[in-house]
Amino acid sequence: EDQVTQSPEALRLQEGESSSLNCSYTVSGLRGLFWYRQDPGKGPEFLFTLYSAGEEKEKERLKATLTKKESFLHITAPKPEDSATYLCAVSYMDSNYQLIWGAGTKLIIKP
Amino acid sequence: ETGVTQTPRHLVMGMTNKKSLKCEQHLGHNAMYWYKQSAKKPLELMFVYSLEERVENNSVPSRFSPECPNSSHLFLHLHTLQPEDSALYLCASSQDTPGGTEAFFGQGTRLTVV
Repeated sequence: EDQVTQSPEALRLQEGESSSLNCSYTVSGLRGLFWYRQDPGKGPEFLFTLYSAGEEKEKERLKATLTKKESFLHITAPKPEDSATYLCAVSYMDSNYQLIWGAGTKLIIKP
Repeated sequence: ETGVTQTPRHLVMGMTNKKSLKCEQHLGHNAMYWYKQSAKKPLELMFVYSLEERVENNSVPSRFSPECPNSSHLFLHLHTLQPEDSALYLCASSQDTPGGTEAFFGQGTRLTVV
């Protein structure tokens, strides 16, 4: 069954404490993996798209990486304003316009 | 104004009411979507429009009725909803249909059915 699993469900860090979020997927023929950030009561905000294993992208304190089975979102020296829910979604060859979404990781950064 | 705009931001409606959600995108995109987001569950795709034609209807109950009059506007008409329909409804747009390009989301409409 095609699915996307994000872990952990929630993560609490101290300001400055680096860590990683995981998005594992089981689909055939990956077309793209997308990372989004969502603040409470708002729509998801696009962060990155990754297309092939070995690809990496960076934005400020965030770095996304991709392997054949999973993606990591590395957060370096996070600040309280990085607190949000991080979502990943996958598009694959037979997806027929649909993305498969993970349930998200809620990240809390304490000052 | 830029991006994807949804109105209203909040809506409380009774089970016998009829209401509509509105979405407008100012990005020149060709595809628009309606998603439902419930607490602690993955986003659920409801409808996809590409160049104003519906290309996907994800087995959504008929009490939800979409309308796409042009490539910039999308509506979701609601009638005789159930309490379990309470959720955040998100509109999104993308340059193309999913798979190659990222989608941009509106702020959502928080719907409560009483």
